[in-house]
Amino acid sequence: DIQMTQSPSSLSASVGDRVTVTCRASQSISSYLNWYQQKPGKAPKLLIYVASNLQDGVPSRFSGSGSGTDFTLTISSLQPEDFATYYCQQSYSTPLTFGQGTKVEIK
Amino acid sequence: QVQLQESGPGLVKPSGTLSLTCTVSDESISSAYWWTWVRQPPGKGLEWIGDIYYSGNTNYNPSLKSRVSISIDRSKNQFSLKVNSVTAADTAVYHCARAFWDGYKYYYGMDAWGQGTTVTVSS
Repeated sequence: DIQMTQSPSSLSASVGDRVTVTCRASQSISSYLNWYQQKPGKAPKLLIYVASNLQDGVPSRFSGSGSGTDFTLTISSLQPEDFATYYCQQSYSTPLTFGQGTKVEIK
Repeated sequence: QVQLQESGPGLVKPSGTLSLTCTVSDESISSAYWWTWVRQPPGKGLEWIGDIYYSGNTNYNPSLKSRVSISIDRSKNQFSLKVNSVTAADTAVYHCARAFWDGYKYYYGMDAWGQGTTVTVSS
């Protein structure tokens, strides 16, 4: 199985901050990396697919980059509704696997 | 806009069988998507269980493969999950989801999700 490791596990930030979350795969996954946002008691929401493609309806302050084993999710200016847990997920091979999550909290 | 809704018992006894159904609305289950199950134990991360295509092709997580079965009912626009020989470790929120792909080999993302249903394994 491909292991996905996110860093940090949690972070505190203020509204307006630029936030970066990193995801590393245990082997190359080309660009088959997706990012999700999950709020408490809710289903995950797809933000970015195939490393850098913004899902329809997702604000442009979210962006993704990377290829191979190292990927980044960036929120250019954190908004109050962005406080949530973010997961990366590889879709290069089954079993599909997720990172452990990064919780973005209010400073 | 597609909607997915999980249904099934919220409590299952140890060694029993967990059975859930996902009803898909406003989208034909015969469309070119992989219909997926994902679970999340309390306070933990996401685990992919497996998926099914409208043709009946399935993929399973090897960690669960011997105990899991996913099936599809095109006449009802539903797909279902069964997990046998459950233990407390199977206690989780179970989500159904739709995964889109390149039509050849690679998945893209899971772009539609059910709200999730909590299943507790306890006597």
